[in-house]
Amino acid sequence: QSVLTQPPSASGTPGQRVTISCSGSSSNIGSNTVNWYQQFPGTAPKLLMFSNNQRPSGVPDRFSGSKSGTSASLAISGLQSEDEADYYCAAWDDSLNGPVFGGGTKLTVL
Amino acid sequence: EVQLVESGGGLVQPGGSLRLSCAASGFTFSIFWMSWVRQAPGKGLEWVANIKQDGSEKYYVDSKGRFTISRDNAKNSLYLQMNSLRAEDTAVYYCARLMAFPNYYMDVWGKGTTVTVSS
Repeated sequence: QSVLTQPPSASGTPGQRVTISCSGSSSNIGSNTVNWYQQFPGTAPKLLMFSNNQRPSGVPDRFSGSKSGTSASLAISGLQSEDEADYYCAAWDDSLNGPVFGGGTKLTVL
Repeated sequence: EVQLVESGGGLVQPGGSLRLSCAASGFTFSIFWMSWVRQAPGKGLEWVANIKQDGSEKYYVDSKGRFTISRDNAKNSLYLQMNSLRAEDTAVYYCARLMAFPNYYMDVWGKGTTVTVSS
């Protein structure tokens, strides 16, 4: 079981807005920023969001992130078929001196 | 182009050893923390180890001392020595560049190398 808790699946139709939640504790999300990674089948993870709500260059502004207390969320607006992927949240854990990940959320575009 | 390329994976028997390598290019390797992250088949991501720029600090998820992370800045290379391998170590192993201070995140990932532990 993963340290951070995510729903295993999420879905939406094209154009919809979808949110993925991520819950942690005081030693990780509660005291550090949250990052999100996108992974397509058979490929390496890609940084999608860092420092709670910062998008790396090239990531569409349809993606947004937020954090409150020991929880965070990723929102995808104007859902597109190419957004179908696995999404992982992550945060530094002070007790480990390393990152912890959520179990991943498989996003399906219906 | 910023790039990380892993190598060294393969099939190994339980109890065996493997040394993974990660070649970095396109950036100044010596000024970044680096990490190893693994992903078992059909499972999520799991952090394995971190190493500071000069190798003076190393942190592990808890592999009971079986794994050792190291680096050679002169060769722009990161390594993971894995001993006493078990079936549950079967995974794709990724190396990643770790951005640190004040916020921590992995911004560059390699394509991964596959380790299979089986008799």
